[in-house]
Amino acid sequence: EVQLVQSGPEVKKPGESLRISCKVSGYRITNNWISWVRQTPGKGLEWMGMIDPSDSHTKYGPSFQGHVTMLSDKSSSTAHLQWSSLKPSDTAMYYCARHSVGFDFWGQGTLVTVSS
Amino acid sequence: DIQMTQSPSAMSASVGDRVTITCRASQGIYNSLAWFQQKPGTVPKRLIYTASSLQSGVPSRFSGSASGTEFTLTISSLQPEDFATYYCLQYDSYPWTFGQGTKVEI
Repeated sequence: EVQLVQSGPEVKKPGESLRISCKVSGYRITNNWISWVRQTPGKGLEWMGMIDPSDSHTKYGPSFQGHVTMLSDKSSSTAHLQWSSLKPSDTAMYYCARHSVGFDFWGQGTLVTVSS
Repeated sequence: DIQMTQSPSAMSASVGDRVTITCRASQGIYNSLAWFQQKPGTVPKRLIYTASSLQSGVPSRFSGSASGTEFTLTISSLQPEDFATYYCLQYDSYPWTFGQGTKVEI
């Protein structure tokens, strides 16, 4: 059974760093790209970018380029999304999703709250 | 970037109604379009991919179609469990883009 299990909710202050994770099981992580999707009440769903876990090649959406970094670790079948300096506007739910003609499986989401 | 204009943004409907939601792409995306359903507090669920292919396990009352750059999700007879928000996603060109969503309410 394919599963994407994300790390738990986070509460951070502006300027702090953060890494959230997405651990996959039920398939070989190198077989499919993984995307990250942000959801905020005001802006719906936004595609942030994707990573190819086979070689860590990435593509970022223009709104996210330079602000987040996508990583993957084949040995632990885990993808990561990280920030070096969070802003209050990063408060959102973040999903990882497996590529297969769009997205077929999603993680359960990680709620990130950034507040002073 | 390809813009996906989804309409309506919200609608009121009744059980048994035929519901149609539309996404218009700002340029050609072939049939690289998926539809998702999201209920409050849950993860988006894929209903349709490649514009008209029904996801396994999804009821046949859901269907997708395409005409040029206009894509349609149809629910033939709305059921109580179908009240949700629906999103389209184009995955033809980077950056991938979602429609703004359609909230289907009673």
